[in-house]
Amino acid sequence: GQQLNQSPQSMFIQEGEDVSMNCTSSSIFNTWLWYKQDPGEGPVLLIALYKAGELTSNGRLTAQFGITRKDSFLNISASIPSDVGIYFCAGAGGTSYGKLTFGQGTILTVHP
Amino acid sequence: DAGVTQSPTHLIKTRGQQVTLRCSPKSGHDTVSWYQQALGQGPQFIFQYYEEEERQRGNFPDRFSGHQFPNYSSELNVNALLLGDSALYLCASSLDLENTGELFFGEGSRLTVL
Repeated sequence: GQQLNQSPQSMFIQEGEDVSMNCTSSSIFNTWLWYKQDPGEGPVLLIALYKAGELTSNGRLTAQFGITRKDSFLNISASIPSDVGIYFCAGAGGTSYGKLTFGQGTILTVHP
Repeated sequence: DAGVTQSPTHLIKTRGQQVTLRCSPKSGHDTVSWYQQALGQGPQFIFQYYEEEERQRGNFPDRFSGHQFPNYSSELNVNALLLGDSALYLCASSLDLENTGELFFGEGSRLTVL
């Protein structure tokens, strides 16, 4: 099935560093979402974006909806050990927003 | 406020068998979507149920079927299991009226097919 192109696949950073990851698609989406998944858990919604060009923050997280509606990025500032996990971008659109198309995920490791 | 609950959390089946997975949506939600997540991959959309009917379907064979009950809970059935069906099956709920794309996921049912 179709998946979004998410990069990087993995990141190893030191606590306190900033993190940036992005997602691109060949299709236009009306909504971009960013989820985090911890081992043995389901994805948890971090940020939702509804408008091209929109920049939204949630604590240390900031995400943007690309102008072309075909891309999005997520930044995490001043990383902490509990930021460890897998981050997924997802796009939604069309007549039903229940169908999300996910990226392959970015595995984030934070060294104390 | 209960979130999305799924059962069972883990199960092991053999090829050719059938499996039923269950999901209760978040309180107040009326729409249930099912996703398959293979190891190391992002979730893949299977189908969505609203008003007890399948409203949208992803690229999955007819061996995958579902049901939604009047209380909005849902079941996912997979017949004639293949080794490749081994995955984490995620249920997600939402409120149709909002139609925002914001899904709330359960912890999943880990299916292993031997």
